[in-house]
Amino acid sequence: GAGVSQSPSNKVTEKGKDVELRCDPISGHTALYWYRQSLGQGLEFLIYFQGNSAPDKSGLPSDRFSAERTGGSVSTLTIQRTQQEDSAVYLCATRRAETQYFGPGTRLLVL
Amino acid sequence: GQQLNQSPQSMFIQEGEDVSMNCTSSSIFNTWLWYKQDPGEGPVLLIALYKAGELTSNGRLTAQFGITRKDSFLNISASIPSDVGIYFCAGQLLGNFNKFYFGSGTKLNVKP
Repeated sequence: GAGVSQSPSNKVTEKGKDVELRCDPISGHTALYWYRQSLGQGLEFLIYFQGNSAPDKSGLPSDRFSAERTGGSVSTLTIQRTQQEDSAVYLCATRRAETQYFGPGTRLLVL
Repeated sequence: GQQLNQSPQSMFIQEGEDVSMNCTSSSIFNTWLWYKQDPGEGPVLLIALYKAGELTSNGRLTAQFGITRKDSFLNISASIPSDVGIYFCAGQLLGNFNKFYFGSGTKLNVKP
């Protein structure tokens, strides 16, 4: 597709369950980013990929959060044993040169 | 970490008015980007600036890359109801193309 796509668009889960969020980047964009946005807040950096490697994981809030990228394309953000404070919008973005393009986000609600 | 100071935090204006918002930093930035986020959507790129002093327009939107490389502003002329949303500035530090820093956003409300 022409833009960054994310799935699911919405996810409701119970506390303690694991969730997987998916990002399909713009074709050819080698850099991929995950951000978290709590209600009414700005963007919180989570992790950055260059190709399949993650040079910067500094934003991951805890060891319950992990991400991987395969084939330099699709990325998955996994949250294990979800907590209510994990409820937020998770945004994926890809970079071409000095410009970043965002997907529509996954809205996660942990009950 | 690096912070971008974005102001104002929110604005309430009448349709037809002009709007101005800005971002400042204590560090030198190589790139300034301005995004708009509608409710329930991801941020959409409005304007990208790559050179100090650069002034770029996109319809009723105009943005400038400050001469000092530490600030940028976004102006919206003749606002309309669909301008409602949250506007974010973002930038890359000089010498680091891998990381983007974001302002906290300016929430714009337009009264018809």
